[in-house]
Amino acid sequence: DIQMTQSPSSLSASVGDRVTITCRASRTISTYLNWYQQKPGKAPKLLMYGAANLLSGVPSRFSGSLSGTDFTLTINDLQPEDLASYFCQQTYSAPHTFGQGTKLEI
Amino acid sequence: EVQLVQSGAEVKKPGESLKISCKGSGYTFTNYWIGWVRQMPGKGLEWMGIIYPDDSDTKYSPSFRGQVTFSADKSITTAYLQWSSLKASDTGMYYCARARGDFGNYFEYWGQGTLVTVSS
Repeated sequence: DIQMTQSPSSLSASVGDRVTITCRASRTISTYLNWYQQKPGKAPKLLMYGAANLLSGVPSRFSGSLSGTDFTLTINDLQPEDLASYFCQQTYSAPHTFGQGTKLEI
Repeated sequence: EVQLVQSGAEVKKPGESLKISCKGSGYTFTNYWIGWVRQMPGKGLEWMGIIYPDDSDTKYSPSFRGQVTFSADKSITTAYLQWSSLKASDTGMYYCARARGDFGNYFEYWGQGTLVTVSS
């Protein structure tokens, strides 16, 4: 199985900040990396797929990138509604493993 | 509008069987894989596997193979997740999700979740 190592596990930031969450795969996954947002008590929602493709309707302050073996989710101009947990997922090879998650506190 | 509506919360005893459902609407049910994801209390997301409703082709995570069974009924656009003998460790929230295949079947739409509690 491909292991996804996500960091940090928790993060505290302020409104207006820029935050970065990183995910690293145990082996190559091309750009088959997706990001999900899960607000407290709700089902996860897809934010981004294919490492850098923003889902329609997701605010443009969210962006994704790949640098070397590290995938990054960046949230610019943090808003109160961004309070959530964020999960990466690789869909390169089954089982399509998730990262451990990052809990973002505002 | 694509919707996945899951069956309601369940409370079961260890050793009992259970089948939960996920009804898809607003799209051609047989054209997309449906996946199942477990979230144990206070924990992260675990990919359990996926099923293609058109021919019931399934891919299970090794962690869940033999522990659960996926099925689908095309005639009523419903996917199922079932256990034959529940354990306390099966307690958790279970989500179904519709996959989109352009980058390996990521989950584009999600159900609201079904909470399963297994306790004696």
